[in-house]
Order: sequence, then structure tokens, then C-alpha cells
Amino acid sequence: SAVISQKPSRDICQRGTSLTIQCQVDSQVTMMFWYRQQPGQSLTLIATANQGSEATYESGFVIDKFPISRPNLTFSTLTVSNMSPEDSSIYLCSVEGTGSSYEQYFGPGTRLTVT
Amino acid sequence: AQSVTQLGSHVSVSEGALVLLRCNYSSSVPPYLFWYVQYPNQGLQLLLKYTSAATLVKGINGFEAEFKKSETSFHLTKPSAHMSDAAEYFCAVSGDAGNMLTFGGGTRLMVKP
Repeated sequence: SAVISQKPSRDICQRGTSLTIQCQVDSQVTMMFWYRQQPGQSLTLIATANQGSEATYESGFVIDKFPISRPNLTFSTLTVSNMSPEDSSIYLCSVEGTGSSYEQYFGPGTRLTVT
Repeated sequence: AQSVTQLGSHVSVSEGALVLLRCNYSSSVPPYLFWYVQYPNQGLQLLLKYTSAATLVKGINGFEAEFKKSETSFHLTKPSAHMSDAAEYFCAVSGDAGNMLTFGGGTRLMVKP
């Protein structure tokens, strides 16, 4: 399975500011995913990021709020823009496995607190 | 649309007792099913997966799960709980939505000494 790292691991930010989260994979992957995990909740998919194309956002998430970059096959960023306390969550990136069964492997997550 | 229901947001067992975490799914196509574990302040780790080969799937840390199509279930079990099993467990399904995973609400497993 791929080894995935995320930076920062945690941050405390003021409302109205933006934070960019980085996701690095140790191998080339086609698809990367970004999830949000609100406190005490399950995971919700924000968007899917393919290299060389615009990210595909799920219902309830928009590019202006969560812009995503995917400059190459091993790296992606997610920006949380104009933050409010409601954005306090864990943000996780994941990649698809190399098999055909659609399993995903997750990074350690970024714990964001907005004050 | 695919969906997952995990019965019981919190499950408490004694150390050494059987662990049973329930997962029911909905999918209009043959599904792929997964169990993930999340330890405090960590990401998700894949425990095991069902991919239409064997209906009884063995995973890491002594966990296993059985796919029952007639019951649309994929319950996770472990014969003897250990204190280190205390964590959040998520069931997930893919199939209807291609490679997209849909997660259940999660079950927090607590292990009492």
C-alpha cells in the first residue's frame, strides 16, 4: 500500500483566514481524494482530484471554498478558504489502491481548529 | 445509491470477550466492502476487504468479516477483544458509484479491563 503524508498535522487558525493542506504520496497514483471528518462524525468526500484536470466536487462543496491543486501524480493540496468555526474538522487525503477493488489508503489527517 | 448503516454508534465489551460490529449495506451492483479502523488522532487503516472472492474475509489484528448477500450484511468480528482494539471502526462500500467509497457512521469500540 502507498505511504501518505500530510502537512500540517494540526493547526489552529483564525476565522476569515485560509489554510492549505498538503498531501504527498510515495508512489504515482491516478486518483486522490479529499475527505472531511467533522467532530464525532464519519467521513464525507469533498472532492476527487485527478492529475491534469479540474477536481470533481461532491454536493455541498464548492471550488471557491475548497480549491484543490493536483500538479503531479504524487502530490495534491486542499485549501480551506475564508474559514469559520464550522470548518473545524479533520481533513484526510486518500489514494486508490493498485488493485481493482477500489480500496483506498489514507493519510494521517490534518486536524484543523478555527477560532 | 449505495449506502451503509452501522448499528450501534458505541459498543462496549470486556477484554477477552467476543467483538461484533454490525454493518448493513445497500447497493444495486455487487459491492466491494471494507472495514477501516481509526485510532485516536490517526488516519484510517484498512482492516479487511471483500471483493467477491471468499465470503469470509480475514484481516489484520485477528479481525474477520463475513459477507452475507441475503442479509446485505458485512459484520466484523473478533473472538477475543484486546485493550488495544479500542478505536473507531468504519464500514464502507463501493460499487454503485464506481470507485467512490461511502462510509457508515462509525462504531466506537470500548474495551473494559
